[in-house]
Order: sequence, then C-alpha cells, then structure tokens
Amino acid sequence: SYVLTQPPSVSVAPGKTARLTCGGNNIGSKSVHWSQQKPGQAPILIIYYNGDRPSGIPVRFSGSNSGNTATLTISRVEAGDEADYYCQVWDSSSDHVVFGGGTKLTVL
Amino acid sequence: EVQLVESGGGLVRPGGSLRISCAASGFTFTSYIINWVRQAPGKGLEWVSSISSGSRSIYYADSVKGRFTVSRDNTENSVFLQMSSLRAEDTAVYYCARDLGGVTEPFAFDHWGQGTLVTVSS
Repeated sequence: SYVLTQPPSVSVAPGKTARLTCGGNNIGSKSVHWSQQKPGQAPILIIYYNGDRPSGIPVRFSGSNSGNTATLTISRVEAGDEADYYCQVWDSSSDHVVFGGGTKLTVL
Repeated sequence: EVQLVESGGGLVRPGGSLRISCAASGFTFTSYIINWVRQAPGKGLEWVSSISSGSRSIYYADSVKGRFTVSRDNTENSVFLQMSSLRAEDTAVYYCARDLGGVTEPFAFDHWGQGTLVTVSS
C-alpha cells in the first residue's frame, strides 16, 4: 500500500518560513492536499491539488509537488499557525485515501 | 453555510455494533462524495470510507472492510456508517467530510464536521 512520510515535528521562529515535507514514491504524479488541525478542532483544508488554496486561506500558505516530495510552505509564520499538518493523496492502485502521519508545527 | 453534523457515537462493547450518522446542509448534497475519517486519541487522521453521490462508488480502508458499511439517503441529506464487530482499536473520533470535487473518486476534503466519539470498551 502507498505510504506518505512526514516528519513528526518542525519548529520555526515567528516571522520565518516553515517548510513541511511529505514523502512518497513518485508523489509528483499525484494530487496532494494539505489540512491543518488545531487542538480540539476538526481539520481544515488549506491546500488542494498541490498548490491551490481554498477561499479564506492566507497566501502565506503555498504548496509544491515534484519527484518524491511534496512541500507545504508557510511564510511569515505566526503563533496562530501552530498546529498539526497532514498531507493526503488518492492512491488509485489500491482505491484508498492515504494520509501522512502528520507534522506538529511549533512556533518558538 | 455548509454544515456537517455527526451523531450517534457512544460507548459500545467489543464485538458490538453501532450506527453513526452525518447530517448535511447548506449545499447540494446529491452532487458530492462524502467521506468518513477517524482519529484515535492522540493519533493522526485515518481515512475510513467514501461514498459517491449516487452510491455507485464505495471505498473502504482495509482496517474496516467487511465490518463497516457506508450508505447515504439523498432524500434526507444524510450519510451513515454502520459499524459491526467493533474492536478496541476502533475507538476514535469519527468525522464526516465533504469532498471538494471528486466525482467517482475522493479528492480533497473541504468541509468537516466536528466529529462524534466512538469508544469500544468492556
């Protein structure tokens, strides 16, 4: 089955740029989506189709996808960005939705 | 406003059954795939099942296939997850989520409910 690998944690200072990775075999051939989840809340979609943003999501959030790695980039990080971030794909080989294990973003 | 409201969670004994529901409003329900995702305490997100708008395409995670059944009632704008042969490892918050644009296959999940807690314990 298809596996998505995310680092368990990333730390960044306020105002800096955070880059969260999502690794998978030839993930560049798939559409990658990213969700943000804050403690006690349901997830919200922040990036879909590799780099598109739903309405209301700040432009500070961007995404890219190539080769074996997809990346969520958060520019000018704010304290309110502290959350868990999950990448997600559809694996047509198994007809399964696959989530990465999630990355906890800590704002120092 | 798009709303998804889960209900029906609770405490059930191992081997037991439970049906949870997802009531949708604020959008044309018959045009969207609906998905179920669960989250065990302190753990990450795990996809459970997806059902297409007309129920023709249904998908299950390996961990629940043969034990869980997803269905929908387009006249009631509701989706259901019938869970049987429940195990301790099924304990989780269960979320329903609307699909952004998939037709027969799930794509991205753009609206989520607040979840319902299912606890499997003796």
